[in-house]
Amino acid sequence: QVQLQESGPGLVKPSQTLSLTCSVSGAAISVGSFYWSWIRQPAGKGLEWIGRIYTSGSTSYNPSLKSRVTISLDTSKNQFSLKLTSLTAADTAVYYCARMYAQIIVDQGDYFVMDVWGQGATVTVSS
Amino acid sequence: DIQMTQSPSSLSASVGDRVTIACRASQSISNHLNWYQQKPGKAPKVLIYAASALQSGVPSRFSGSGSGTDFTLTISSLQPEDFATYYCQQSYNLPPIFGQGTKLEI
Repeated sequence: QVQLQESGPGLVKPSQTLSLTCSVSGAAISVGSFYWSWIRQPAGKGLEWIGRIYTSGSTSYNPSLKSRVTISLDTSKNQFSLKLTSLTAADTAVYYCARMYAQIIVDQGDYFVMDVWGQGATVTVSS
Repeated sequence: DIQMTQSPSSLSASVGDRVTIACRASQSISNHLNWYQQKPGKAPKVLIYAASALQSGVPSRFSGSGSGTDFTLTISSLQPEDFATYYCQQSYNLPPIFGQGTKLEI
């Protein structure tokens, strides 16, 4: 059974860089056709997809955050990480990591779904 | 980006009720639509993918329909554990965009 667990600082100062790690157990992140994603959710608000990294290491980012985001893989530790620079109060949120994969339906195509999620890490940006 | 709009934003219902939540995309997304359930303090859980396919392990009282721009999630007979917030999400292209959520309350 695949499990994901976020870790990182709960409090970060404005203008600094947030670094979060997602530890994966039950599967090797470098094997299979999976995309490892980050999503965030400000308190009381909806979900925002941040970006993803494929098992090969190729990345895709939300254009709204692209200039500030880096997602990377560490296959030796079976982890993937998020770096978000130039933080402001608007970046305060619960950050989730999740596994995304393509569910194949015969004669229809591939359908991407996020099926396994971490429990979430609360990040507050404040001086 | 494709915009996703859910209605209603909140909904009150009782155990045993049949409930429908709507989701509209700003452009056609074929059937590339997922539904998630989120309980307070927990991560979202996928219920439906490809607009109408039930994710493994999800009770059959959940069903989805629609194609193009208009979609619905139906819960046929509400159970106490179904009171939560529901999100639709388009998987047609990047970035994946979620609806604003529908809070289902007792």
